[in-house]
Amino acid sequence: GNSVTQMEGPVTLSEEAFLTINCTYTATGYPSLFWYVQYPGEGLQLLLKATKADDKGSNKGFEATYRKETTSFHLEKGSVQVSDSAVYFCALTDNTNAGKSTFGDGTTLTVKP
Amino acid sequence: KAGVTQTPRYLIKTRGQQVTLSCSPISGHRSVSWYQQTPGQGLQFLFEYFSETQRNKGNFPGRFSGRQFSNSRSEMNVSTLELGDSALYLCASSLVRGEDTQYFGPGTRLTVL
Repeated sequence: GNSVTQMEGPVTLSEEAFLTINCTYTATGYPSLFWYVQYPGEGLQLLLKATKADDKGSNKGFEATYRKETTSFHLEKGSVQVSDSAVYFCALTDNTNAGKSTFGDGTTLTVKP
Repeated sequence: KAGVTQTPRYLIKTRGQQVTLSCSPISGHRSVSWYQQTPGQGLQFLFEYFSETQRNKGNFPGRFSGRQFSNSRSEMNVSTLELGDSALYLCASSLVRGEDTQYFGPGTRLTVL
């Protein structure tokens, strides 16, 4: 079956530091890959997505590139802000299992001023 | 366009009771999926509904059930509540079945005492 593995957290950074959160996946079929963000007490917000190999998803300064050869979709941001503090989830969907997203365990990011 | 809405946002029940949670998808979206989020198990898929029919189901006991109405609104029901059912229940909608992107609501926080 499908699975997503995220780097273990939590991650604590100073403001303006570079962020990388690693994500690797195992999937049947041809998955689409996603990063979601969850702020305290809220649901999941779609941050970015990529639907095929070598696609780059980007939003709000965050980027991730779909790497089929390494089955990875690492999240990066060049300069984090305090407001980026949240839990980040890597996820995938694939056309063999419609309606179901498979999630990683989540990585908690804390950015200190 | 309004996002996915879930009601109620918070709920407190006691063991043995039953509960019904409601989800209204984004206007025009026809597929609705439900997830359970707990600190120990992370995000787990419950089921997916499309055209008023359950199309996909996760590994949860029969106490967890759902339905979808002709306007695509969905409800999930948990009977004979257990302490371990305390969780954030998230609803997600997508335009059609097989659409790769799911959009999440804010969730219903269920506490079982």
